[in-house]
Amino acid sequence: GIQVEQSPPDLILQEGANSTLRCNFSDSVNNLQWFHQNPWGQLINLFYIPSGTKQNGRLSATTVATERYSLLYISSSQTTDSGVYFCAVLAYSGAGSYQLTFGKGTKLSVIP
Amino acid sequence: KAGVTQTPRYLIKTRGQQVTLSCSPISGHRSVSWYQQTPGQGLQFLFEYFSETQRNKGNFPGRFSGRQFSNSRSEMNVSTLELGDSALYLCASSLFRTSGSGETQYFGPGTRLLVL
Repeated sequence: GIQVEQSPPDLILQEGANSTLRCNFSDSVNNLQWFHQNPWGQLINLFYIPSGTKQNGRLSATTVATERYSLLYISSSQTTDSGVYFCAVLAYSGAGSYQLTFGKGTKLSVIP
Repeated sequence: KAGVTQTPRYLIKTRGQQVTLSCSPISGHRSVSWYQQTPGQGLQFLFEYFSETQRNKGNFPGRFSGRQFSNSRSEMNVSTLELGDSALYLCASSLFRTSGSGETQYFGPGTRLLVL
């Protein structure tokens, strides 16, 4: 099946710093989503981004499907940005079905 | 519009027991997918239900099963619980069945299951 690798696995930032999270995938995908999981376990959709660039406030994402990677940028980080960021790719899994495959995540800790 | 809800939020069971988890999708959503999250394996797809039929299944043993009702609510059942089944179980809903064009999935808060 498709492999999804995220880097770095852990990241500690001072409040106000910027960061870039990376997601590499091993095969062509139909779509890609970024999620933020808060400390209580809730997964929040950040971006739905099969290709190109999107921005939402201090967050932006870029997917280069032909090169099989996506980047999530966080600018002016805040303590509320802490949590785990997951990349998930949508790929064909056979028998007319598609499913999301998640990376292992990047655990971000923003300290005041 | 209310989000995805899951009940119960926390559960403690012993080995050998069975458990049933419930998921109510966002109103109007017809697809429900289930995922297991553990520290070792991360987030793994269990199965997807659409129009009361299982449409896709991940690589889990037959002890894991589910169903979907006519109102799109879904239940997941795990029989003969093992210690390794301790996990956060997440369900996600989307308007239509997961397809190649992609459909944003919205996740519930999860059920934390501890097997002793």
